Amino acid sequence: DTGVSQDPRHKITKRGQNVTFRCDPISEHNRLYWYRQTLGQGPEFLTYFQNEAQLEKSRLLSDRFSAERPKGSFSTLEIQRTEQGDSAMYLCASSSANPGNTIYFGEGSWLTVV
Amino acid sequence: DAKTTQPNSMESNEEEPVHLPCNHSTISGTDYIHWYRQLPSQGPEYVIHGLTSNVNNRMASLAIAEDRKSSTLILHRATLRDAAVYYCIHMIKAAGNKLTFGGGTRVLVKP
Repeated sequence: DTGVSQDPRHKITKRGQNVTFRCDPISEHNRLYWYRQTLGQGPEFLTYFQNEAQLEKSRLLSDRFSAERPKGSFSTLEIQRTEQGDSAMYLCASSSANPGNTIYFGEGSWLTVV
Repeated sequence: DAKTTQPNSMESNEEEPVHLPCNHSTISGTDYIHWYRQLPSQGPEYVIHGLTSNVNNRMASLAIAEDRKSSTLILHRATLRDAAVYYCIHMIKAAGNKLTFGGGTRVLVKP
């Protein structure tokens, strides 16, 4: 399967620890997106990259959050000093840059902060 | 922000069609309408998208109003596997073509 891949699928961490999620997009896609979803809500946009450039960051992305896409392929999302409010599903998606492009999502990485 | 309005939930019987309405009154001429669905504990799944003309694919049909301020997703014969939250999204070209999700419509399919 050559879809969007996320790792790990589930992570339980203690408050105050750092966590990192990895996303491998569909290989020919130059755009990569990160979203966050809490229970009962729709996904919320966090940030997106075109190739290695981070083009937009949501106000939701506090200074504890950092995302990178160093070679324009895979991406990482790191959360430092986790808080219980960070518990959510973190979704990665990818697409081409063409207008009206279809965006394909991964299965998500569940984070539980205890 | 791109605002869409959808009913919170809809019920359908298995094997019957489902019509999911969506209002997107602030849409501009170059903005696409996308529909995604999300099953429990899974990432959103692309369903269909369109700009001006009605669109059909193996999953669904999309009927777009002439003024483009509303659209309807049509599932022709609902199955139990179609039970999900369906999101109508107005993708703004000027905002980097990212998806801004609203609350969606939860579709319940009764056997």
